[in-house]
Amino acid sequence: NAGVTQTPKFQVLKTGQSMTLQCAQDMNHNSMYWYRQDPGMGLRLIYYSASEGTTDKGEVPNGYNVSRLNKREFSLRLESAAPSQTSVYFCASGRDSSYNEQFFGPGTRLTVL
Amino acid sequence: SQQGEEDPQALSIQEGENATMNCSYKTSINNLQWYRQNSGRGLVHLILIRSNEREKHSGRLRVTLDTSKKSSSLLITASRAADTASYFCATDAGGQNFVFGPGTRLSVLP
Repeated sequence: NAGVTQTPKFQVLKTGQSMTLQCAQDMNHNSMYWYRQDPGMGLRLIYYSASEGTTDKGEVPNGYNVSRLNKREFSLRLESAAPSQTSVYFCASGRDSSYNEQFFGPGTRLTVL
Repeated sequence: SQQGEEDPQALSIQEGENATMNCSYKTSINNLQWYRQNSGRGLVHLILIRSNEREKHSGRLRVTLDTSKKSSSLLITASRAADTASYFCATDAGGQNFVFGPGTRLSVLP
């Protein structure tokens, strides 16, 4: 099992460019999450999907959109990248309730110039 | 402001010593989890403690929870160089929404 995979691992964008971060899990989990991690800030939830076909905003959703393509895949899109979106992005998955652990991908390091 | 706050921000100890880090939170929780992050990697789940539990063990890890003080502690006994990492507490904010603290950076010196 690969667990949670993310692509790409690194990306450099210019201000205003768009891109999609891909995430896939092979653990048959219902829930998937996107976080960003900035120095000294811990992880902040951007969006989550409790099940296929549903998405909800987290703490910092502005500037992002998500798509739960199917049970396995959850993508994060930046329509018009800004320097404030320079961060490390983590995708995670989990089972049905908050009593279960989350499994994290290796992260995507994004720099917006 | 963040739900969980770890303390200290950084901790440096010698191999074989015990490491203790604390997490404080502001509102009532259903459970609290601890995660480890090695440099440049994703987070790895360590242990979950429910609000009706006071102490939990997993190998060299011991977690306590004091809901009256809204705090938790993570103790790593007989630390090893491989324990060098950042440690985060995460509290559930209802539903599927976890809130992570800024983390404690632990350095274990050989």
